[in-house]
Amino acid sequence: QKEVEQNSGPLSVPEGAIASLNCTYSDRGSQSFFWYRQYSGKSPELIMFIYSNGDKEDGRFTAQLNKASQYVSLLIRDSQPSDSATYLCAVTRSNDYKLSFGAGTTVTVRA
Amino acid sequence: NAGVTQTPKFQVLKTGQSMTLQCAQDMNHNSMYWYRQDPGMGLRLIYYSASEGTTDKGEVPNGYNVSRLNKREFSLRLESAAPSQTSVYFCASSEATVREKLFFGSGTQLSVL
Repeated sequence: QKEVEQNSGPLSVPEGAIASLNCTYSDRGSQSFFWYRQYSGKSPELIMFIYSNGDKEDGRFTAQLNKASQYVSLLIRDSQPSDSATYLCAVTRSNDYKLSFGAGTTVTVRA
Repeated sequence: NAGVTQTPKFQVLKTGQSMTLQCAQDMNHNSMYWYRQDPGMGLRLIYYSASEGTTDKGEVPNGYNVSRLNKREFSLRLESAAPSQTSVYFCASSEATVREKLFFGSGTQLSVL
């Protein structure tokens, strides 16, 4: 079992819709959870992080964490063509700050 | 402010050749990392340096060596390149307060024939 699993996609959504991305992790002791965005041919950049159960909102992005279910998600509201990218879920292992990355979900927003 | 600078951007090697990937950051970060990214595999940590003078193995260190030359620079060396090392390599750095917030370089596309 991979440490961090994501649906590879592609996830295609119409402009203005909500894109919902899911991520599960295997280490029950994981403490910190991150979403990185990577445009095609570019390097990843951090867009969201969450440490506690519940929701965290930042502009059009909402991260949701459920530690009991070992599940973290990212919602993109009012999706724009500029949101078309691969979204990488990353998780820290127990007692460690280094990140384990999922393989990423590719999102395509149709104009 | 350049951030994290990696060179070269592209490289083609023959099996058995050696090369060094260079990385430098100008953000005064303590921690630096080398990742490789392969289709369907996500980013995998090769080596990292928590601070100047220290280096440690990550998930996939075999076939690689690193040098933390000073606080700014962290190089990755392939001593005898193999086709399995064909990948995109990213250098990253992070600050002491939020070490999980990685700042990435632009990447090196390496092909080993």
